[in-house]
Formats: sequence, structure tokens, C-alpha cells
Amino acid sequence: AQSVTQLDSQVPVFEEAPVELRCNYSSSVSVYLFWYVQYPNQGLQLLLKYLSGSTLVKGINGFEAEFNKSQTSFHLRKPSVHISDTAEYFCAGEDTGRRALTFGSGTRLQVQP
Amino acid sequence: DSGVTQTPKHLITATGQRVTLRCSPRSGDLSVYWYQQSLDQGLQFLIHYYNGEERAKGNILERFSAQQFPDLHSELNLSSLELGDSALYFCASSATFYEQYFGPGTRLTVT
Repeated sequence: AQSVTQLDSQVPVFEEAPVELRCNYSSSVSVYLFWYVQYPNQGLQLLLKYLSGSTLVKGINGFEAEFNKSQTSFHLRKPSVHISDTAEYFCAGEDTGRRALTFGSGTRLQVQP
Repeated sequence: DSGVTQTPKHLITATGQRVTLRCSPRSGDLSVYWYQQSLDQGLQFLIHYYNGEERAKGNILERFSAQQFPDLHSELNLSSLELGDSALYFCASSATFYEQYFGPGTRLTVT
């Protein structure tokens, strides 16, 4: 089964600063990888996905992620965050062949003025 | 708004009871997925239905069951409820696996 690890449970950052949210996946599974965002009291929204091809994936709201096969990582980045980016971010991967998502434990991004 | 609707938004019930959560997928989506989000277990996949047929099962307890009806809406049935079943239950729908759209969730509180 897929295993996805988010290394930071909370990331505080000041507004307009860059941010990186870290995600590692287990190497024995397919590399369909996703980042989702959950705003307070809402469902999850897909930010971006990696299926194949270019290792740099651009998503919505200015986010991007880089797939690194050798390091089994899929870190999420944004060059300049806004207060409105405050939310919980989940990295997810496909449970190979089952068409089911396995989620990391989430990272709470707290953007401070 | 994702286009996925879930009812009810909140549900409070007692241990031992049975509840039904409902999900209406986006128009045209044949797949419905159910997930449970709790502080203890995080976000976990429960079950996937495609056009009325069960396609994959995750960490779904035997006390829980689901079905997808001909009009494609889905219901998640939770029985013999325990305190530990208190959680947010999300459904998601998709036309393809790679882009799931999540509903706002049903918050279940078991007292």
C-alpha cells in the first residue's frame, strides 16, 4: 500500500514570504501524487497533481510542486504566500491499482501578517 | 462550490444507533468515494463506487456499508455507532480517478 508522509504538522510563515510543505512517498507504489487544500469548515480542493511527464507541476493559486523520484518526494511550494493561504494542506498518493487515495497527516499552514 | 452535495451537514446521535449519510455527485460523475476524517486516524479512504458497483474498499468497518443508486447518489450507512465513529465524513465524485471533487462533509457526533 501507498504510504505518504508529511514531515511538518504546522508551518508558520509571514505574509509574502516563500513556503515549502514537504511530502515523501513510499517507493514501492505508483507515482500518481496529489496536493489538496482544506480551508476551515470546508471540503478538500485539488491544488495540483502529478501523473507523468514534467517533474515541475503548476497548480492553482500560485502553488507548484516538484516530483523527485530519487528522493521520493513531492514538495509543495509557493514563492509568496497570502493570508488567504492559511489552511490545511494534504499530500496524497494512489494506492497502487486500487484507484484509492492515501493521504498524509496534513500540514497546517499559518500565514501571519 | 464543488458541485458535490452532502446531507445532513451535522448529525448528533447516541451510541448503538444507526445513521445514513447521503451524497449527490457532480452531474455526470459516475464515481463516488467516501472518506473519514478524524483527529485520531486522519483522512482515510473508506470505499469507492463506480456506476453502482463497488470498486475498492479501504479501512471500512464491517458496521459500515455503502451503496450507489441508479441515479448515482450514494449513501453511507453506519450502524452500532461507537464514540470513536465521531468524525467528518466526506464524499467525493469524479469522472476520472485523477480529479476528485469533494463535498463539504457531514460532521457526525456520537454521544
